[in-house]
Amino acid sequence: QSALTQPASVSGSPGQSLTISCTGTSSDVGGYNYVSWYQQHPGKAPKLMIYDVSNRPSGVSNRFSGSKSGNTASLTISGLQAEDEGDYYCSSYTDSVTFWVFGGGTKVTVL
Amino acid sequence: QVQLQESGPGLVKPSETLSLTCAVSGHSISSGYYWGWIRQSPGKGLEWIVSMYHSGNTYYNPSLKSRVTISIDTSKNQLSLRLSSVTAADTAVYYCARQILLTAPDAFDIWGQGTVVTVSS
Repeated sequence: QSALTQPASVSGSPGQSLTISCTGTSSDVGGYNYVSWYQQHPGKAPKLMIYDVSNRPSGVSNRFSGSKSGNTASLTISGLQAEDEGDYYCSSYTDSVTFWVFGGGTKVTVL
Repeated sequence: QVQLQESGPGLVKPSETLSLTCAVSGHSISSGYYWGWIRQSPGKGLEWIVSMYHSGNTYYNPSLKSRVTISIDTSKNQLSLRLSSVTAADTAVYYCARQILLTAPDAFDIWGQGTVVTVSS
């Protein structure tokens, strides 16, 4: 069982917006702004999409945005495109034993 | 352009030691970032293993710490991972990754393509 909880799957139609949640505790998501999000296509390495809750690395589309409220972080994809299909993982620093933890992943399907 | 490339044997026998190398190009391993290893078991999520700074400061996943050795060779610009006493549960894709360092080690911004390791006799 992953330390951070994500929905197993979400779906949306092209052009729509969708949001993926990532729920942790005050020891990780709620206590620190070291939340990041990764996109993974089948057979490929993860790609950093958001770091420090809401910062986008250079080259990442501004259709991707991050936020946090309490112990839950969120990734929003606006203007959904077919290329956005894949698995998305959240991650956070934690002051419990493990230092960095990942969520179980969310499969995004574009209908 | 920063690139990371993992290499190592794809098959390891149970109880033996898994050894992987990550060659870094386009960036000095000695400057300004942590370097880490993350793995992904078949059909499963991501698990952070270990992160290291070139000066030697290291963070370990406690569940693996007793079996993990990480090292950085600045002359070769590469990092290495050794995982001892492997079992089938260690079968996974192993990724090396660069870790942003701001006020503290942060997100993993550059990843290698990953290398598949199977533990089987």
